[in-house]
Formats: sequence, structure tokens, C-alpha cells
Amino acid sequence: QKEVEQNSGPLSVPEGAIASLNCTYSDRGSQSFFWYRQYSGKSPELIMSIYSNGDKEDGRFTAQLNKASQYVSLLIRDSQPSDSATYLCAVNQAGGTSYGKLTFGQGTILTVHP
Amino acid sequence: DTEVTQTPKHLVMGMTNKKSLKCEQHMGHRAMYWYKQKAKKPPELMFVYSYEKLSINESVPSRFSPECPNSSLLNLHLHALQPEDSALYLCASSHAGQDNEQFFGPGTRLTVL
Repeated sequence: QKEVEQNSGPLSVPEGAIASLNCTYSDRGSQSFFWYRQYSGKSPELIMSIYSNGDKEDGRFTAQLNKASQYVSLLIRDSQPSDSATYLCAVNQAGGTSYGKLTFGQGTILTVHP
Repeated sequence: DTEVTQTPKHLVMGMTNKKSLKCEQHMGHRAMYWYKQKAKKPPELMFVYSYEKLSINESVPSRFSPECPNSSLLNLHLHALQPEDSALYLCASSHAGQDNEQFFGPGTRLTVL
């Protein structure tokens, strides 16, 4: 059973701080990793994808991947109250298929307080 | 057009009803997915269609019947559902290939009475 584990929440940070979300995965063959943001009552929204070791930055978001340690993280700089949501880490299972098969972590609830 | 659309937004049905959920995308994606999401849980994969062919059925009960009429459309036919099937049903799509990004539609909130 492929597993994805996220750091237990909920996580509460003050406005303007850096929020750090972490995720580990068990499938060593996985090659693609995603972070989704889900507001209460809404569907998941893709915010970052990462495929190579190292950092990938997009605005206030930075994803970090370390395949040797089987670790993915998401940093949110200058956190805003609008960042308050559940963040889902998703890992594509290896398999050589024409479609993806995502395994999701349980999600981390982030609250940014003013 | 970078959207996945789903209809209806909300659906209430009795256990003897037959209803269908519809999903549409015009991004040229050739992989489409149905997920089920219960409150405070991550999405659970139900079905995957690749090039309009059913590729994965995650042991979903036969009261859920998927259909992919063409490369842009995905339906989920519902019959004789149980109250525990009440959930948010999400459609997603991606380009063909294992590692491509999946984009979710807004979902259908289903309540089974």
C-alpha cells in the first residue's frame, strides 16, 4: 500500500509569517508530486507541482523535493488570512501508465490569524 | 479554456432514484477521473478513463456506473444508492501520461436520503 503522510495539524501561523507544510511518501518510484489547496466546501485547487530534486518557486509558494529522503514540502511566505485552507500533498504512483494515480495525504489544516 | 465543469452542483436523491452526474472539459485532456470525498478526508479515486477506455475501477460498487461518451465528457450514473454514499463527487482531468497535473472540477455535493 503506497502511503503519503503529512505533518499533523492543525497549523496556526500569524499573518506575514512563513508556513511550512511537510509530506513523506513510501513509493520510491514516484516521479511527480503535487500540492493542492482546498477551501472548506470547495474542490481541490492545484497550486504547485514538482518533479525534480530541489526547490521550485511560484510567487509566495516554494515547493521542495528530496527524493532520497522521500520528502516533499511546501513553504508559504508572507502568509495571508486568505491562505487559510486544507493543504493536500499528492504523489503519483509509479507504473508507466497513460494516466496518473494520485495518493493523497490526509491534509494539513492551515489557519493564518491576523 | 482551463476549466473542468460539473453538473449539477447539488443533488438530493432517494435510495430508489436514478440520477447522473456530468463532467466536461475542453482542455484536450485524454485522462479523466472520478473521485469521492467525504468530510475531512482526502479524495478517494473511484474510476479512471484513459483515451475513453475504463482503465481503473477501484472496486466501486455497481450502483455507480461510469461512462465516457467522448474525450470531453464523463458521466457517473447513480442507482439505488445508500445514505453512506452521500459525499462530494469530484471529476478531474489531465493530459495523457503518468505524471501530468490533474485539474479538479467544482464537484457535485450529493445527499442520499
